[in-house]
Amino acid sequence: AQSVTQLDSQVPVFEEAPVELRCNYSSSVSVYLFWYVQYPNQGLQLLLKYLSGSTLVKGINGFEAEFNKSQTSFHLRKPSVHISDTAEYFCAVKKGGSYIPTFGRGTSLIVHP
Amino acid sequence: NAGVTQTPKFRVLKTGQSMTLLCAQDMNHEYMYWYRQDPGMGLRLIHYSVGEGTTAKGEVPDGYNVSRLKKQNFLLGLESAAPSQTSVYFCASTPDIQETQYFGPGTRLLVL
Repeated sequence: AQSVTQLDSQVPVFEEAPVELRCNYSSSVSVYLFWYVQYPNQGLQLLLKYLSGSTLVKGINGFEAEFNKSQTSFHLRKPSVHISDTAEYFCAVKKGGSYIPTFGRGTSLIVHP
Repeated sequence: NAGVTQTPKFRVLKTGQSMTLLCAQDMNHEYMYWYRQDPGMGLRLIHYSVGEGTTAKGEVPDGYNVSRLKKQNFLLGLESAAPSQTSVYFCASTPDIQETQYFGPGTRLLVL
């Protein structure tokens, strides 16, 4: 079965600093990769996704992620964070042909002024 | 386009009571999912549906039942609520298994 590991449960950072949220998954076969963001008391929204093609994927709000097949990783980055980026971030992986994505446990990004 | 809506937004139940959570989507999506979210546990799949009239068990199906009589609606039932079912429940839908999931705003359930 697929597993997804978000290596940090909480990441505190100062405003305007860069940030990286790490995600590793277990399977090296064909996968689709997603990052979602959840603001307080809301549902999840898509930040970005990797289906195929270029390994560097750009998403909304200045976020980007890089698919690394050899390391089975899909880390999320932003060069300069804002207070409004404070939220929970979830990495999700879907094996090709599967109906069901597997979600990581989430990383809480806390941006301090 | 309302997207994915969930009813109710918040509910308090006593142990042993039953209830139904309604998920509705107006995007003509084929696939629908019910998750529960608990602190530190991420999202866990309860049940899902790959089309009208179909349902399947997810990772944590015990104590829940589902129905998808109409393509746009996916109902989650708790027959006899237990305190362990206190959680936030999210519904999601997607048009294709390669695509992103679209989530509802959640239902907060407290079982006393």
